[in-house]
Amino acid sequence: GAVVSQHPSRVICKSGTSVKIECRSLDFQATTMFWYRQFPKQSLMLMATSNEGSKATYEQGVEKDKFLINHASLTLSTLTVTSAHPEDSSFYICSASVDRYTDTQYFGPGTRLTVL
Amino acid sequence: AQSVSQHNHHVILSEAASLELGCNYSYGGTVNLFWYVQYPGQHLQLLLKYFSGDPLVKGIKGFEAEFIKSKFSFNLRKPSVQWSDTAEYFCAVNKAAGNKLTFGGGTRVLVKP
Repeated sequence: GAVVSQHPSRVICKSGTSVKIECRSLDFQATTMFWYRQFPKQSLMLMATSNEGSKATYEQGVEKDKFLINHASLTLSTLTVTSAHPEDSSFYICSASVDRYTDTQYFGPGTRLTVL
Repeated sequence: AQSVSQHNHHVILSEAASLELGCNYSYGGTVNLFWYVQYPGQHLQLLLKYFSGDPLVKGIKGFEAEFIKSKFSFNLRKPSVQWSDTAEYFCAVNKAAGNKLTFGGGTRVLVKP
């Protein structure tokens, strides 16, 4: 149980375009989803926390207008990288929590974004 | 702000050797502690977690971790590793009743057959 999927697994785009990444909880309802960024050979850095039906909470230094997060249902959250630039190239990982009290997050497989 | 440090960035050992990975955190309040593993090309998987109770926690695949509150530590151990334990291991912490995780820098473990 507790499977989280991400789509796409890899995406290559041109500079200036927008890219949408989907995160789905397949066998449970996730009241909270998280978006992380992982640079090569580094740890995960939390970008934002997304609660179903409300606005995402962004970490300090993360641009809200650049990384748009929508948590439209209890099984789906999307991250849109707007006007992507080469420095946005990274590995983006989502996680989902069953509820805010269990505190255990289940991670998706990640999306490799390359901006040319 | 809380921080998590993992002292070893890389560990190389032979099969059947014992493994211990260090993890220390800086937050002074009540915390939940986690160890995640990321096998090559795969996503993060939960190895074990500590919320309360017995400070010695047993997880999957023969791993265990000990929470020592006085040392702010949550070290991961496995008495006898296998080649299949080659992976990157992440320690993570969040405040109790709050689920925002802070990750350590990760430790890459290479087990030689």
